[in-house]
Amino acid sequence: DAMVIQNPRYQVTQFGKPVTLSCSQTLNHNVMYWYQQKSSQAPKLLFHYYDKDFNNEADTPDNFQSRRPNTSFCFLDIRSPGLGDAAMYLCATRGLSSYNEQFFGPGTRLTVL
Amino acid sequence: ELKVEQNPLFLSMQEGKNYTIYCNYSTTSDRLYWYRQDPGKSLESLFVLLSNGAVKQEGRLMASLDTKARLSTSHITAAVHDLSATYFCAVVSIGGGSNYQLIWGAGTKLIIKP
Repeated sequence: DAMVIQNPRYQVTQFGKPVTLSCSQTLNHNVMYWYQQKSSQAPKLLFHYYDKDFNNEADTPDNFQSRRPNTSFCFLDIRSPGLGDAAMYLCATRGLSSYNEQFFGPGTRLTVL
Repeated sequence: ELKVEQNPLFLSMQEGKNYTIYCNYSTTSDRLYWYRQDPGKSLESLFVLLSNGAVKQEGRLMASLDTKARLSTSHITAAVHDLSATYFCAVVSIGGGSNYQLIWGAGTKLIIKP
C-alpha cells in the first residue's frame, strides 16, 4: 500500500544534542510538509517542499532545518533541541489532484531530557 | 488573514446521543477538510469537502459545507464510544500553487461515555 513512513517513531535526545527525523513516501507526491504538534494543540506548520523548492514558515526557529534529497525522502534536523521542542513531529504529503488532500505519517514523538 | 474556529473545544456526551461540531472560517475558501486524531496518534483524514452544499457521510459521521456562511458542520448520530477522539477541521487559503496550506482549527476533543 502507498504510504507515508516516519522513523523513528519515538526519539529521546538530550538537551542540545542534534537529532534527525526522517520521512519517506511511496505516494510519489510533489509536496512534503513537516508539522510540529504539542499536546492538545493543532499541528503547526514548520516548512514544506514543493518538489525541490523549500518554503520556510516565518516563525519557524532557525534551530530547525530540513533536507529533501529526492522525491521520496525528507528529513527534519533539530540542531540544538531545547525542552520546548519536545513534541510530536508529523510529516505529510500532498499530490496535485483536485482533492489536494494531505496524507500524514504516523509521527515521531520527540522527548528532550 | 484566514482564521478557523471550532466549537465546542470539548464535548462529553453519552452513547446513543446526537451532536454537532461546528467549524467557522473567516475568509473565502474553496475546500475544507476534517481529520480525526486518537490520543498519541497521527491525523487520519475523514472528509474532503470541495464545494458549497457538499455532504459526505462515513458511518455515524456526516459532514457538510456551506461556503456562503463559511461554515462546516460534522454531525454525529447515535454516538458510540469508538468515536471518542479529537476532531480537527482545516481550511485551505484561496490561491493554491506552492503555498497551498491548511489553516487549522483548534480541535474538538470528543469523549463518549457508555
